[in-house]
Amino acid sequence: SAVISQKPSRDICQRGTSLTIQCQVDSQVTMMFWYRQQPGQSLTLIATANQGSEATYESGFVIDKFPISRPNLTFSTLTVSNMSPEDSSIYLCSCERDSSYNEQFFGPGTRLTVL
Amino acid sequence: AQKVTQAQTEISVVEKEDVTLDCVYETRDTTYYLFWYKQPPSGELVFLIRRNSFDEQNEISGRYSWNFQKSTSSFNFTITASQVVDSAVYFCALSEVDSSYKLIFGSGTRLLVRP
Repeated sequence: SAVISQKPSRDICQRGTSLTIQCQVDSQVTMMFWYRQQPGQSLTLIATANQGSEATYESGFVIDKFPISRPNLTFSTLTVSNMSPEDSSIYLCSCERDSSYNEQFFGPGTRLTVL
Repeated sequence: AQKVTQAQTEISVVEKEDVTLDCVYETRDTTYYLFWYKQPPSGELVFLIRRNSFDEQNEISGRYSWNFQKSTSSFNFTITASQVVDSAVYFCALSEVDSSYKLIFGSGTRLLVRP
């Protein structure tokens, strides 16, 4: 299975600030995904990030609020911009082992609290 | 539209009991994948199984077993002889070929195994 790391593991931020979350995979992967898990809730896909192209956002999520970078096949970042307490969630990145296998592995998550 | 329903919000059992977690899905695709993930209190998502739509064979892995029935659009998960370490939130998820393999999660079932 792919090994995925995320930084930071947790953070407490002030309203109005921005936080960039990093996701590093130990092998090259085509597709990376960013999910949000609000407290006590299930996971919701924010966007799909492919290397060399713009991220594809799901309904309800916009690039201005959640800009994503994918500079190479092992790394991606998600920024949560102009944060409010409603953004307090766990943010998880995931990747496929390979497109033919469709087995998604998740990073340990970033637990964000916005005051 | 694709949808995953986990009707059981929370289940509590005594150690060594068997427990079945239900998952019902909706999809218009003929090719799709179903997953189960475990999320222990630490928050990390642990991949348990992937099943594609053409493989209806039941699977057993140690104390875990899965029953996939296309006729009822269900993919149920059974833990036999439950243990305290099985206490976690369990998520069922669906991905469709036509949706770029993004995961649609159910709302999760919280399992509490009491000693």
